[in-house]
Amino acid sequence: DQQVKQNSPSLSVQEGRISILNCDYTNSMFDYFLWYKKYPAEGPTFLISISSIKDKNEDGRFTVFLNKSAKHLSLHIVPSQPGDSAVYFCAAGLRYGKLTFGQGTILTVHP
Amino acid sequence: DGGITQSPKYLFRKEGQNVTLSCEQNLNHDAMYWYRQDPGQGLRLIYYSQIVNDFQKGDIAEGYSVSREKKESFPLTVTSAQKNPTAFYLCASSTGSSGANVLTFGAGSRLTVL
Repeated sequence: DQQVKQNSPSLSVQEGRISILNCDYTNSMFDYFLWYKKYPAEGPTFLISISSIKDKNEDGRFTVFLNKSAKHLSLHIVPSQPGDSAVYFCAAGLRYGKLTFGQGTILTVHP
Repeated sequence: DGGITQSPKYLFRKEGQNVTLSCEQNLNHDAMYWYRQDPGQGLRLIYYSQIVNDFQKGDIAEGYSVSREKKESFPLTVTSAQKNPTAFYLCASSTGSSGANVLTFGAGSRLTVL
């Protein structure tokens, strides 16, 4: 029973364009959502988060959108850069509880 | 610099052997976690501990054991009972109940069973 799903295993984008990564969840109790970025042979690093009381959070080139009725969140990267090429994981959970991660999406940004 | 140190980075094990992965943090975080990463399956929670001398099973605890005798240390033992131990193992920590649950991860340990 996968409570957090990233249905796109990979995404390829041209440098300068927008990257949109998607994530769906099934547990309506989740109230905290995060995105992590991971390079090969390294641990994931925290990118951006959003709580269920908001529907949007921005940090520089990164924006996370939350649609609670659809149980869907997305990460927008604008403009995309080659250094953004990595695996992106979404995670969800209770604010003070353990997190459940999605399968990850491999983003490739071409120069 | 504060962070999480995992060792060894690479480990080879023969079938039937137990192996212990080390995880040390100097972030003064209360909570620590062990995740396993397999291709196409994301990160799955093995065990977590929110306080010293206490820990809980995650989603895939079978074949694993942990201890939390010190706040800064959370070693993971992969036992011979674990059927598919070859994976990338990640240790993480967070401030736990005292703050929002943003995990800080170590660099990982790759275990290969020969």
